[in-house]
This record gives sequence, C-alpha cells and structure tokens, in this order.
Amino acid sequence: GAVVSQHPSRVICKSGTSVKIECRSLDFQATTMFWYRQFPKKSLMLMATSNEGSKATYEQGVEKDKFLINHASLTLSTLTVTSAHPEDSSFYICSARSSSGTSGPYEQYFGPGTRLTVT
Amino acid sequence: RKEVEQDPGPFNVPEGATVAFNCTYSNSASQSFFWYRQDCRKEPKLLMSVYSSGNEDGRFTAQLNRASQYISLLIRDSKLSDSATYLCVVTGGGADGLTFGKGTHLIIQP
Repeated sequence: GAVVSQHPSRVICKSGTSVKIECRSLDFQATTMFWYRQFPKKSLMLMATSNEGSKATYEQGVEKDKFLINHASLTLSTLTVTSAHPEDSSFYICSARSSSGTSGPYEQYFGPGTRLTVT
Repeated sequence: RKEVEQDPGPFNVPEGATVAFNCTYSNSASQSFFWYRQDCRKEPKLLMSVYSSGNEDGRFTAQLNRASQYISLLIRDSKLSDSATYLCVVTGGGADGLTFGKGTHLIIQP
C-alpha cells in the first residue's frame, strides 16, 4: 500500500518552455501533498505544501508564479514549472500524506521523482 | 546554523560490522523524527520513525535525545544491501513539511 507515482520520470525541455509534473497517490487518498526539490549532492528542500481544494503554501524563496501547483483531487497534484531556465534543472519529488488514521501524522510517502533538465 | 546536520561520510564499513550515525537538529519545536534511506538517484524511503523511548526494527535501532537535540541510527550486522544514503528528517514546529539533512553515505564492503 501507500504508493505514489510521478509522471514523467524524466523530461528534457528547452529554456522558456513550461513543464507539468503529475503526482498521484495510487491506493490512498491524500489531503496533503508536498513538492520537494533536490539539487546534486544537496538535501531535499521543501518547495510547497498543497492541500486538496485550496491554494498551495510556498516556502520562502520559492516563486509561486513560477512553480504553479494544483491539487484538484485527493489523489492528484500537479507542479508546473513555467518559463523554465537551466537553473531549474533538478530532481523534483512529490510526497503524499494519507488522510486515513493508519499512518503517523507526519509520515509521507514519496513518488519516484522527476528529473528535469532544461537546455 | 543548519537545521539538520549530518556527517556526509562516506562511511566505509566491512560487511557484518556495526555502524552508527548521528544527526543534530536546531529546531527545538520539532515534533517528529525519522530516518529515511535514499539510494542513488531514487526517491527517499522511510526506514523508521524515531521515538523518545528509542525503538528497534530488526538490525536497526534509532534513538532520540531531545535535550541535546540529536538522533542516532545504529545498524548491526551490516549487509551489502545497506549501502545507501541515510537521511535524518525532522518536522518543523507547526509546519507540515519535512526538513531533511544532507544525508550520510554508507558503503558496506564485502
């Protein structure tokens, strides 16, 4: 149980284009999903927290107009990197927290990640 | 001061040995603590939660010292498959997201 998928797993795009990444909880409902970013040899950094049906909460330093997050249902959240630049190249990972009572309140299940390369 | 600090290693350890990692965190309001394991170019996977009373899961033992704000992970009888990066993770006081350390790279050698 507690499987989270991400699509695509890898994407290469040209500078200036937009890229959408999907995060799905496959076998559970997730009221809260998180988006992280990991640069090479760096720790995962939380970008934003999204709650189903409401606006995402962005961490300090993350541009909300550049990283658009939509959490339209209990099983799907999307991250759109708008007008991507080479410095946006990174490993983007989503996680989901189950809304059921079976896991601890802070346990998160991670997707396999999306490796974005902007040329 | 970084929020979660870990020795990045690498720790080169012979198979069968016992190895221990420590991690310190700066936010005294942190409520929950975890060890995650991350293999190269993969997503992190929860290894175990860390409880104040200490907890054990097979060959893995985790301990929390709130007074000193550090967390430890002990791996006994290490296996080749234990080679990975071990991430110390805490929750922020009042925040939902997880704060990750940079990780400690462990290499088990045959």
